Amino acid sequence: AQKITQTQPGMFVQEKEAVTLDCTYDTSDQSYGLFWYKQPSSGEMIFLIYQGSYDEQNATEGRYSLNFQKARKSANLVISASQLGDSAMYFCAMREGRNTGFQKLVFGTGTRLLVSP
Amino acid sequence: DVKVTQSSRYLVKRTGEKVFLECVQDMDHENMFWYRQDPGLGLRLIYFSYDVKMKEKGDIPEGYSVSREKKERFSLILESASTNQTSMYLCASSLETGFDLNTEAFFGQGTRLTVV
Repeated sequence: AQKITQTQPGMFVQEKEAVTLDCTYDTSDQSYGLFWYKQPSSGEMIFLIYQGSYDEQNATEGRYSLNFQKARKSANLVISASQLGDSAMYFCAMREGRNTGFQKLVFGTGTRLLVSP
Repeated sequence: DVKVTQSSRYLVKRTGEKVFLECVQDMDHENMFWYRQDPGLGLRLIYFSYDVKMKEKGDIPEGYSVSREKKERFSLILESASTNQTSMYLCASSLETGFDLNTEAFFGQGTRLTVV
């Protein structure tokens, strides 16, 4: 079963506008962590933001925020005031398996974001 | 600076060859991962290791094996390379923190493998 679902293969946004990248997840664990990574065309994976399943507040890191809706099992990434340098692939990921003694990290299929001037 | 280093950036191998992809991390991390990345499929977990000599299958282990003889090194082995294993391979590592799941994974630069 798909653990992480990113339904938007591609998104377009104009510079300075906000954009939301969708992510839904599936787990039976009570404790899990959700991550967003950015992959520019150069290929490196850059960690952006983390949300724990027990965190009461939505995570924020600069222009990035995570809209965490636990009941809906969604963890959408919001980028405010988009910049040209935000053009990249974005991956949602989940760490689970704490109860089994080791922690897998699984990723979604990604969303390609293109920011236009 | 934390570092995960993959031995090759680009690799071309022939069908049927035995292929080794090497990954080394200098952060004393317990967990190490091998993913393959394909367009439209995202990153798929092949194998991961949570300790020396310990390994667990990921979602697509068929055709691959791994070796972790030392904590800092995690090798991915293609026993008999096939054209459908042409892909980008990414290695990652993360600290094992028990109940705290807030540990990001650090990635290598990737190895683009072409099997001809």
